[in-house]
Amino acid sequence: GQNIDQPTEMTATEGAIVQINCTYQTSGFNGLFWYQQHAGEAPTFLSYNVLDGLEEKGRFSSFLSRSKGYSYLLLKELQMKDSASYLCAPLDSNYQLIWGAGTKLIIKP
Amino acid sequence: IAGITQAPTSQILAAGRRMTLRCTQDMRHNAMYWYRQDLGLGLRLIHYSNTAGTTGKGEVPDGYSVSRANTDDFPLTLASAVPSQTSVYFCASSDTGYNEQFFGPGTRLTVL
Repeated sequence: GQNIDQPTEMTATEGAIVQINCTYQTSGFNGLFWYQQHAGEAPTFLSYNVLDGLEEKGRFSSFLSRSKGYSYLLLKELQMKDSASYLCAPLDSNYQLIWGAGTKLIIKP
Repeated sequence: IAGITQAPTSQILAAGRRMTLRCTQDMRHNAMYWYRQDLGLGLRLIHYSNTAGTTGKGEVPDGYSVSRANTDDFPLTLASAVPSQTSVYFCASSDTGYNEQFFGPGTRLTVL
């Protein structure tokens, strides 16, 4: 079956760094997306990895290891506005996104 | 430019009633999707359309139907609503199946 595993909730301090891990099992693989979703709002795109390695985009970076079925999202210089849920979503062989339940990130001052 | 819009924003519906959720995008994207999101669960795909004139079933299609008469519109119909269809419904679109998806603001539906 297809499965996504990510922590339910994480807490971090403003200005710090946090890493949100995601492991996945899918039928085929065509890349992995990370989305951010603030409470009561729609998900918005953060990053896409299709090859192994690190993709950096400002304060956010995303890493992929296809052989391990593993990805992480790294957030640096945390700001209060980063309090949100972060959704890991690999793309399967049918080009359908398989969504995890998300990691709720709480930022404390 | 609105991107992708959904209507209504929220709705309370009596069980057994028919309801259509509307979704319109102005990005000329080929693919469109309907998801439902329930507390503690990931987004679940209801139906999708890879291009105008075609539709497909997702993970949880029962009780829902869609049509894609043109590129811009992708309505979702609940033929006879049941309380288990209480959820937040998101419409999304993407240029192709492997591009990022853009989401509408969502419709919060309560079936009593």
